[in-house]
Amino acid sequence: GAVVSQHPSRVICKSGTSVKIECRSLDFQATTMFWYRQFPKKSLMLMATSNEGSKATYEQGVEKDKFLINHASLTLSTLTVTSAHPEDSSFYICSATSGVAKNIQYFGAGTRLSVL
Amino acid sequence: DAKTTQPTSMDCAEGRAANLPCNHSTISGNEYVYWYRQIHSQGPQYIIHGLKNNETNEMASLIITEDRKSSTLILPHATLRDTAVYYCIVRVVVTSGSRLTFGEGTQLTVNP
Repeated sequence: GAVVSQHPSRVICKSGTSVKIECRSLDFQATTMFWYRQFPKKSLMLMATSNEGSKATYEQGVEKDKFLINHASLTLSTLTVTSAHPEDSSFYICSATSGVAKNIQYFGAGTRLSVL
Repeated sequence: DAKTTQPTSMDCAEGRAANLPCNHSTISGNEYVYWYRQIHSQGPQYIIHGLKNNETNEMASLIITEDRKSSTLILPHATLRDTAVYYCIVRVVVTSGSRLTFGEGTQLTVNP
């Protein structure tokens, strides 16, 4: 299947700092990317849908100024957690859908964020 | 998207077939059934999907009942590496922006 690369795989930061997570589609052009968050022993929760060249669509309850999403090219979307706090510690996962194989979402390996 | 119901957990012996059920009694005619799995601390992995016909690929088989109100994912020869949470999701595919809504899934444990 298609490959989605997510970087970094793990990040530890101090409270108040900002953290950027990258999501790349390596062998296809991703017209749409999704960002999920997963707390321990819980299921994935969709945070936002990112469309190349336009503003992201955020799910209810997700602060767009807190979680900045940029989808500047057909192979890259970034999620920036601004002014991170301990409650933002979570597993963040991106996925991508190509314009061709739109039936299937491919997921990155996830980023474990720990805010001290 | 229609809601799905899956057992919380299942066990399977290594080398045996693992049959994971999913109920989706409110599924609409244009909704597909998708299966993903998530191995601990990794991103979900696509397994298979179907609309109404049974499907098979190198990973698994998907059996959908005639009324489409339930389905079964079959791993024909489970290995220890198949231990994961398996998610059954129903989803309308209209554009590439079609979302996936994850439920709690089934924790499959394959035992030696």
